[in-house]
Amino acid sequence: SYELTQPPSVSVSPGQTVTITCTGHELTRKFVAWSQQRPGQSPVLLIYKDKERPSGIPYRFSASNSGDTATLTITGAQAVDEADYYCQAWDNGVVFGAGTKLTVL
Amino acid sequence: QVQLRESGPTSLRTSETLSLTCTVSGGSLNDYYWSWIRQSPGKGLEWIGNIFYGGTTKYVPSLKGRVTISAETPNKFSLKMTSVTAADTAMYFCARGVTVTTVVDYYDSWGQGTLVTVS
Repeated sequence: SYELTQPPSVSVSPGQTVTITCTGHELTRKFVAWSQQRPGQSPVLLIYKDKERPSGIPYRFSASNSGDTATLTITGAQAVDEADYYCQAWDNGVVFGAGTKLTVL
Repeated sequence: QVQLRESGPTSLRTSETLSLTCTVSGGSLNDYYWSWIRQSPGKGLEWIGNIFYGGTTKYVPSLKGRVTISAETPNKFSLKMTSVTAADTAMYFCARGVTVTTVVDYYDSWGQGTLVTVS
């Protein structure tokens, strides 16, 4: 079965830039979406179609997808960005990465 | 703005059948995929399956045979999972799947989730 691999955790200082990777075989052939889940809340869509941002999502969130790796970048991280981040793609069903916990400290 | 809300029993005994309903307000089931996704305590998201508005369903292989997703009315869909065990204890979310290709490419709306405990 298809797998998406994310780092379990990353940390960033406020105002700095952080990247979260999502790796899967030939991932560039698929559309990748990213969601943010704050503690106790439902996931919220951050990125779809590899790099598109829904209305209302801050510009500091951007993403790309090339080769086997999709990348979510937060430029100028804020304390409010502390959350779990999940990548998602389709391969004979919806596949989620295991999630990355972002700590802003 | 579409809203989704899960409802159903939140406490089950081992071997019982889990039945949840997702009510969609602000829109109908037309033109979208409708999914159930669960999250065990402290764990990540697990896709259970989806139904397309035309009635086509697809399930994760590990749960196939135990799970049925059905469209109940123009704005409700349901999840039934048989023979539950403690491993099925989780927050269950319903979500609206958007297709750009021919499959679920992303989820743009989620319910608030309902915690189901099996003991």
